Amino acid sequence: AQRVTQPEKLLSVFKGAPVELKCNYSYSGSPELFWYVQYSRQRLQLLLRHISRESIKGFTADLNKGETSFHLKKPFAQEEDSAMYYCALSVLGFQKLVFGTGTRLLVSP
Amino acid sequence: DADVTQTPRNRITKTGKRIMLECSQTKGHDRMYWYRQDPGLGLRLIYYSFDVKDINKGEISDGYSVSRQAQAKFSLSLESAIPNQTALYFCATSESTGATYNEQFFGPGTRLTVL
Repeated sequence: AQRVTQPEKLLSVFKGAPVELKCNYSYSGSPELFWYVQYSRQRLQLLLRHISRESIKGFTADLNKGETSFHLKKPFAQEEDSAMYYCALSVLGFQKLVFGTGTRLLVSP
Repeated sequence: DADVTQTPRNRITKTGKRIMLECSQTKGHDRMYWYRQDPGLGLRLIYYSFDVKDINKGEISDGYSVSRQAQAKFSLSLESAIPNQTALYFCATSESTGATYNEQFFGPGTRLTVL
C-alpha cells in the first residue's frame, strides 16, 4: 500500500538557518511526489512537484528513489516560510493524492 | 477569479444529526474531492468524483455519503454525526487533462464540531 511519512510534527529554526523537511514514501509504482503548503489563514496550495525540478520561494526537493525520499530544503529560512507543509504522493493515474501527516515549520526572528 | 467555495465555514451539531457540507467551484474542473484534516493525521481522502456520473470511495468513507449534483457542485453528508467526525473538511478540484498530474485546488475548509 502507498504511504507517505513525515517524521517531524514540528520543526523550529531561526531566520537565516537552513531548513530540511523530511518526507519518505512507500509505493510500488513509479512515484509522483509533491509538496503542498498551508500558510496561516490561507488555503492549502501546491508548492512544488518533483517532475518540474523547480525552485519555488527558494525551496527545492529532490526525489531519491534509492532512499524513497523527497525532502524539502531551503538554505536560508525566512519568517514568512512559517506554515504547515504536507508531502503528497500521487497514485491512480496521477489523480489521487496520499498525504503525509504534515510538518509545521516555525521560523523565529 | 475562478474559485472553490465551501458552505458552511463553521458548524456545531449534536450526535445523531444529519449534516450536509457543500462545495461549489467556478473553475470548470471535472474532478472533485473531499478530505478531512485531523491534527497529527494530515489529510485523508473521503470520496472523489471524476465526473458527474462517477463517485468513488476514498480511504475513510464509512459514515459519509456524497452527491455530485452538477459539474460544479459536490456535497458531503454525514447521515448520523458522531463526535469522532469532528474535523476540518476540505473540498478540492482538479482538471482532467493529460497523463501527468493535475494540481488540486482547495477550498477554505469547513470546521465541523459534533457534540
